[in-house]
Amino acid sequence: SAVISQKPSRDICQRGTSLTIQCQVDSQVTMMFWYRQQPGQSLTLIATANQGSEATYESGFVIDKFPISRPNLTFSTLTVSNMSPEDSSIYLCSVDVGLAGRYNEQFFGPGTRLTVL
Amino acid sequence: AQSVTQLDSHVSVSEGTPVLLRCNYSSSYSPSLFWYVQHPNKGLQLLLKYTSAATLVKGINGFEAEFKKSETSFHLTKPSAHMSDAAEYFCVVRTSGTYKYIFGTGTRLKVLA
Repeated sequence: SAVISQKPSRDICQRGTSLTIQCQVDSQVTMMFWYRQQPGQSLTLIATANQGSEATYESGFVIDKFPISRPNLTFSTLTVSNMSPEDSSIYLCSVDVGLAGRYNEQFFGPGTRLTVL
Repeated sequence: AQSVTQLDSHVSVSEGTPVLLRCNYSSSYSPSLFWYVQHPNKGLQLLLKYTSAATLVKGINGFEAEFKKSETSFHLTKPSAHMSDAAEYFCVVRTSGTYKYIFGTGTRLKVLA
């Protein structure tokens, strides 16, 4: 399994500013993911972040708006840039872990609740 | 592209009656499928997972799901609903090749007393 922490747990920001969210895992993992969960909605994948390579963004998400760093196998950051009220969401990081029996499972961080005024 | 479709956005059942939450998947390969639950203002909790072993998968809290390849379905069931089951449920597929986890749109389960 994997235990994931995120900082900050919540924040209230002014429009036009940027916020960097940190994700720390208690073990080394290859694949990390960043999701957004808008109020009352499902989780939408923003990007996949593998150590040593550029993040891969999903349709509708761009690096200029959501730059991601992945400096090592236990840490990643997501920045929400030039924020607007539409960016108010919960942002979650998760990891893909191979378990016994050769199947994989996803573990989630607790999320960062962002409110943009 | 691999995806999941949750057929009902809202389901209401009476306490003590069976629960059925429907999920269809789209995949060219044998998929890995998951069900998660999210209680209000809480994090995601894994209910169960299908990884090509047994087609009937038992999870936590009395939930189970059956993988039916012929119907491309992975419906979630529970024999008797409890008030504490009221939550949002997500069906998730892990894609082959890119190994991403794609969420369905969710089903909100309401349990009536």
